[in-house]
Amino acid sequence: AAGVIQSPRHLIKEKRETATLKCYPIPRHDTVYWYQQGPGQDPQFLISFYEKMQSDKGSIPDRFSAQQFSDYHSELNMSSLELGDSALYFCASSHRQGLGSDSTNEKLFFGSGTQLSVL
Amino acid sequence: LAKTTQPISMDSYEGQEVNITCSHNNIATNDYITWYQQFPSQGPRFIIQGYKTKVTNEVASLFIPADRKSSTLSLPRVSLSDTAVYYCLVGGGVYQGGKLIFGQGTELSVKP
Repeated sequence: AAGVIQSPRHLIKEKRETATLKCYPIPRHDTVYWYQQGPGQDPQFLISFYEKMQSDKGSIPDRFSAQQFSDYHSELNMSSLELGDSALYFCASSHRQGLGSDSTNEKLFFGSGTQLSVL
Repeated sequence: LAKTTQPISMDSYEGQEVNITCSHNNIATNDYITWYQQFPSQGPRFIIQGYKTKVTNEVASLFIPADRKSSTLSLPRVSLSDTAVYYCLVGGGVYQGGKLIFGQGTELSVKP
């Protein structure tokens, strides 16, 4: 079965550079989530999109922005990179549309992540 | 959103049953309880989800008491490959927006 695809798998940048992370959700999934996970830390929610509109916002720095495109893929743009931005960035997708009030809750499917190293 | 509390770490041996309990005293009426498993440098993987009573799948069982203020993930006969971090998430329902918060997970170590 198709899974969530993230690219690149690894990315090395220097301070003050920019980076773009891409996420391709599972086909027919309409919701995308972005998480940041530092070494030894738990995943921190950054931002989510539902049907190409921002759904919710977490601890995403102002230097970061994201969007979901018409084909449902999403990109996380990171500018003025800092050493502290070094982390694993996960994208997850789910199928939210059609969930009824009496049906099960959302299930997130995660990609393998992008390891960002800022030097 | 309901805050969750889990043990930071647990040790077990191969073949044993492992039960990880999660407290979520502020769970809302519409909240579901979902457990994820994460291996190092990999994305979290869905294990099981439930609303009340007991749910069982091919991987685990989830026990939820009537007051729903806690839940217990049960892993039968664990193996070395079950060594991972386990997260309990509460909320994220369709009508509650798109924010699913990971709390501090439980690092399970399975020994031979």
